[in-house]
Formats: sequence, structure tokens, C-alpha cells
Amino acid sequence: DTAVSQTPKYLVTQMGNDKSIKCEQNLGHDTMYWYKQDSKKFLKIMFSYNNKELIINETVPNRFSPKSPDKAHLNLHINSLELGDSAVYFCASSQGSSGRNEQFFGPGTRLTVL
Amino acid sequence: DQQVKQNSPSLSVQEGRISILNCDYTNSMFDYFLWYKKYPAEGPTFLISISSIKDKNEDGRFTVFLNKSAKHLSLHIVPSQPGDSAVYFCAASAGGGTSYGKLTFGQGTILTVHP
Repeated sequence: DTAVSQTPKYLVTQMGNDKSIKCEQNLGHDTMYWYKQDSKKFLKIMFSYNNKELIINETVPNRFSPKSPDKAHLNLHINSLELGDSAVYFCASSQGSSGRNEQFFGPGTRLTVL
Repeated sequence: DQQVKQNSPSLSVQEGRISILNCDYTNSMFDYFLWYKKYPAEGPTFLISISSIKDKNEDGRFTVFLNKSAKHLSLHIVPSQPGDSAVYFCAASAGGGTSYGKLTFGQGTILTVHP
């Protein structure tokens, strides 16, 4: 059973479109995250939710909107996609919101904006 | 402004030898450091961590060393095995519970272990 799953795995779309990436974890964790791995390979945190409450909101364009319908899901919606949004997006979860808690990552979603 | 840097993009090692992966950081507020390992088409998986109150943590073949004065940490893998071939990410966090789980990652080092 996959612990943290993301759909889709690959997403190719045109500039200006709106798209969503879904994330689900079956570990019973209370905290979920979205990271972006850019072309320089750095993994950068975008958002974090603890018990469905937003606790980290990094400097991310407001075209990106996370939504957590319940503790097991954290979806990422992106409006008006731009070329610079092309990246690999990773979802992660942890039990507790301390930086010392092990984070479990999904396999990533490779987004390509044409 | 990259607060965690892994200056070696890649490292090639012979099976059985030691692999040493390095990481430098600039933020003196970081007090917990982690190493993650990533295989292609998979997400990163936790490997080992160290608190700033220690200078060494060991887990089997993996040892992490922390030099706070130099703001430098390293991961030693002894002996290296072909299955260790992966991308290794260094990460850091600050402030324990107040960090809300925020990890700052380096850009990774590709380790290749040759049979």
C-alpha cells in the first residue's frame, strides 16, 4: 500500500490553463506539505497544513491554492499556469509539525507547461 | 539566497569504499539536520538526522557528522554498496516545534557506487 500518493504522475498543459494535483496519505499523519523542485534541483517548501489548518505559506504566487478537505488529503490547484511553473511537485506528510518529525514523500508530479 | 548548499553535484565511488557527501549551511538558527535519499521516479526517503547538540550520529553503515563552527555537515557511508546509488539531499530545520515542519533542502548530490 502506497503511503503517500499523488495524481497525476505527469501533467502536460498549455500556458493559461488551470490544473490540480491531488495528494493522499494513508499513514494517519496530521501534517501535510507541498514542495516544489525547480530546475536547479532545490526542494522548496510551498505550503503546510496541520489538522486541515494552513501553518506554512511561503512566498508563492496566489495562483497557487492548496485545499485540505480532510487530514488525509492535500490538493494543489494552480490557476493561469505559466512556463515558470514547470517543475516537479512533491507532497509529503508527517506526524506532528516539528521540523524534527520525519516527513514521508510522495513520488512527485512532473508538471510541464508549454 | 540558498541557505543549504551541496556543492558537489555528483560523486562516484567504488563498491566497498567510503562515500562522503558534504553539506554547508548559512543560517545559524538551524538546529536539526537531516539526510534524505532519493531514487529516480520516487520521492525522497528519510535516512538519518542529527541534532545541533551532537556532533555525530551513527546508524549502521551511515554516519552523519556536524561541525557547527564551520556550519558544515557530512554523511559517511561505509562500506558503499551499489544499492546506495541515488540522489542524497541534505536538509535543515530551525526552532523545533515553532518551525512548523519547515525543512530547507540543498540541491542534492548524485552518488554512483560502481561494482
